[in-house]
Amino acid sequence: GAVVSQHPSWVICKSGTSVKIECRSLDFQATTMFWYRQFPKQSLMLMATSNEGSKATYEQGVEKDKFLINHASLTLSTLTVTSAHPEDSSFYICSASRTKPEQYFGPGTRLTVT
Amino acid sequence: DAKTTQPNSMESNEEEPVHLPCNHSTISGTDYIHWYRQLPSQGPEYVIHGLTSNVNNRMASLAIAEDRKSSTLILHRATLRDAAVYYCILRDPDYGGSQGNLIFGKGTKLSVKP
Repeated sequence: GAVVSQHPSWVICKSGTSVKIECRSLDFQATTMFWYRQFPKQSLMLMATSNEGSKATYEQGVEKDKFLINHASLTLSTLTVTSAHPEDSSFYICSASRTKPEQYFGPGTRLTVT
Repeated sequence: DAKTTQPNSMESNEEEPVHLPCNHSTISGTDYIHWYRQLPSQGPEYVIHGLTSNVNNRMASLAIAEDRKSSTLILHRATLRDAAVYYCILRDPDYGGSQGNLIFGKGTKLSVKP
């Protein structure tokens, strides 16, 4: 149990376009999901905390108008990278929490902006 | 969150035990000690967590010092599939009333030689 999926697993897009990444908890309900970003050879950096039915809480330095997060149901959260630029190329990872204190991570989405 | 200190890298031989240390001298009384690992190009995976007593599960053992200022993750027989970055993270599950986002440090990169 406690499986989290992400779609797509990788995506290549042109600069200026928008990309949507889905995060689903497959066998449990997650009231809270987290979005992380990881650049090559670096650690995970928390971008935002997403609560079902309410606005996401963004970490300092993360532009909420650029990284749109929607947590429409207890099993789905989406991250949309708007007007993507090459510097947004990264590995995006979501996680979901069922019961404290464990978190379950998705496999990640590798975004390349050309 | 209290800070943890881990060696940047460690090497092990296959089939031998591995002891991954973590120092957390500023740990508070309510902080749990979590370990996650991240295989290349994948999302992190929960390994184990504990508060005061040593813990065992199918993946590993966690030895916690009596003063809780350090802990050791023990892989009893390393396999090639255990090659990953291991993160030691402290988290108070009731912090801020949230489900508890994780703050990742740089972790220890474990290499396993055949």
